[in-house]
Amino acid sequence: EPEVTQTPSHQVTQMGQEVILRCVPISNHLYFYWYRQILGQKVEFLVSFYNNEISEKSEIFDDQFSVERPDGSNFTLKIRSTKLEDSAMYFCASSEEDPDTQYFGPGTRLTVL
Amino acid sequence: QKEVEQNSGPLSVPEGAIASLNCTYSDRVSQSFFWYRQYSGKSPELIMSIYSNGDKEDGRFTAQLNKASQYVSLLIRDSQPSDSATYLCAVNMWGNFNKFYFGSGTKLNVKP
Repeated sequence: EPEVTQTPSHQVTQMGQEVILRCVPISNHLYFYWYRQILGQKVEFLVSFYNNEISEKSEIFDDQFSVERPDGSNFTLKIRSTKLEDSAMYFCASSEEDPDTQYFGPGTRLTVL
Repeated sequence: QKEVEQNSGPLSVPEGAIASLNCTYSDRVSQSFFWYRQYSGKSPELIMSIYSNGDKEDGRFTAQLNKASQYVSLLIRDSQPSDSATYLCAVNMWGNFNKFYFGSGTKLNVKP
């Protein structure tokens, strides 16, 4: 069964460093999303992406964040200058034609020291 | 501020019982409603979506939506220990069709 994959599973970085989180959505899917979940807290929407552009973004998704679909398979989230409060689990999700039916990847745990 | 509220629980039910999970939302123009299951340390998994007032059934799961009361619920019949997880309510607002708001989740414990 096709699934969303994410790499790395765990990323440790120093405050101020840039990180790139990678996702491979399900191959025929058209809509892509990033969410984050701080330990013990709710899942928070970051951004949605369709037709090679951002369709929605949250208040969290400020100038330090960017997304890219560099080729036909990968979908990346870049955090330019990481802060301690960026430590969280980051989930990628994708959906086919119906943006409501989202399939989540296993997540990348980001730890900022 | 758009809010999705859930009782954090834990909600404990015996095996075979009906578990009832509730969610309220603040924005009257919300259009689409979702229930996800999240096991500890894992990613959310979509259980059901509901768009219209009333009930929607899928196997042991029934979602109920009342837009006038801004209330959505999930019933799990014949609860199993494997249903023990955190259940997340999510809402998609009209005009922001690709922007989703999650509640904090209700932890369900099904006791054998």
